[in-house]
Amino acid sequence: ETGVTQTPRHLVMGMTNKKSLKCEQHLGHNAMYWYKQSAKKPLELMFVYSLEERVENNSVPSRFSPECPNSSHLFLHLHTLQPEDSALYLCASSQALPGQGSNIQYFGAGTRLSVL
Amino acid sequence: GQQLNQSPQSMFIQEGEDVSMNCTSSSIFNTWLWYKQDPGEGPVLLIALYKAGELTSNGRLTAQFGITRKDSFLNISASIPSDVGIYFCAGKEVLLGLEYGNKLVFGAGTILRVKS
Repeated sequence: ETGVTQTPRHLVMGMTNKKSLKCEQHLGHNAMYWYKQSAKKPLELMFVYSLEERVENNSVPSRFSPECPNSSHLFLHLHTLQPEDSALYLCASSQALPGQGSNIQYFGAGTRLSVL
Repeated sequence: GQQLNQSPQSMFIQEGEDVSMNCTSSSIFNTWLWYKQDPGEGPVLLIALYKAGELTSNGRLTAQFGITRKDSFLNISASIPSDVGIYFCAGKEVLLGLEYGNKLVFGAGTILRVKS
């Protein structure tokens, strides 16, 4: 148990569906992240929220829409996805303020997404 | 953007053998992290390194922060079947003498398979 919980663990959706991924952290952190993990590739950073403000958006298509209502919760809203969006989506959290431990990100177990 | 060169890409070793893997970058890092990811789970932190030359152990795992600040090594002694998984290095890049926000750079991973 890493203190970061992601739901659902598995999701199958059609290209016209709308779904949302949820992430919740119980570590008292104030920065949260969405990553995409595809086979044999490095983790791809999608979005970063620090102190509830989006501070990074790595050229992610608009069919992915993040939401961070508070420092403990992060959502990824999905709309009209493509088959190539099938991947493991990982959420992570960390401290936002400078400090030796602030660089450590703690990950959830991920949501395995399949787009048909 | 910056990527880490992690090697080897995969390893298939005999139980009881020692394992070594490494990560290199073209720029200076001020933090090196090593994570392990089991199938169907998210990455879990193994070791964090903060100073050039630092050598840190966690059970049978030992990691070192290279003195050039551009590389790191992870060694596993006396491997056992539960060591199987994907090992990722990650680091926090230093640009123009400043930490680069909250962003971590990840390697593509080393897949470890152990023969029992």
